[in-house]
Amino acid sequence: KAGVTQTPRYLIKTRGQQVTLSCSPISGHRSVSWYQQTPGQGLQFLFEYFSETQRNKGNFPGRFSGRQFSNSRSEMNVSTLELGDSALYLCASSFYQRVLSQETQYFGPGTRLLVL
Amino acid sequence: AQTVTQSQPEMSVQEAETVTLSCTYDTSESDYYLFWYKQPPSRQMILVIRQEAYKQQNATENRFSVNFQKAAKSFSLKISDSQLGDAAMYFCAYRSAATGNQFYFGTGTSLTVIP
Repeated sequence: KAGVTQTPRYLIKTRGQQVTLSCSPISGHRSVSWYQQTPGQGLQFLFEYFSETQRNKGNFPGRFSGRQFSNSRSEMNVSTLELGDSALYLCASSFYQRVLSQETQYFGPGTRLLVL
Repeated sequence: AQTVTQSQPEMSVQEAETVTLSCTYDTSESDYYLFWYKQPPSRQMILVIRQEAYKQQNATENRFSVNFQKAAKSFSLKISDSQLGDAAMYFCAYRSAATGNQFYFGTGTSLTVIP
């Protein structure tokens, strides 16, 4: 099976702009999670989508939003970009359907966003 | 919220030697899952090993094994016969069995393998 893919791989934006990142999960996986990775904060959970519904949400401002389509592909949007949004954004997918599951997450290569 | 702590920002090991990476976590839950992920430089994160909290037996995957001490809330990773390809950032992660598919990660340990 093909792995998790993310596009684009690199992005440069300026403050105040908005950006949309895309993630295609492994075929058959219905859960997609997004993480922000920075040197200072490590990996921080943004949100998780399952069957087009946001199921979990981390502690990020409303400028960060996402959605999932019927084919399980997911997009993440950041509006009014700030310098501090510069990070590697990772997407992870899993088959996960129920809480008591040992299913793990499989990560994509990430999108590196630089905000100038 | 659960917290995961990796107290060793950097570690180094001689090729073919053994190294242990530390991880502790804080939780009030009794049922959860623990993971070690590896992120090589400029490459994507991959799963190394995972452990179910209800299992007393420590997980093992080839040269990788864990020392899971539930009472102490400790989950260390042992890499035996270290290879150059083991050089990477290693992340410890926690996932609740009750609150959904949200992973909590430590800040990572950068492992250098010395030839």
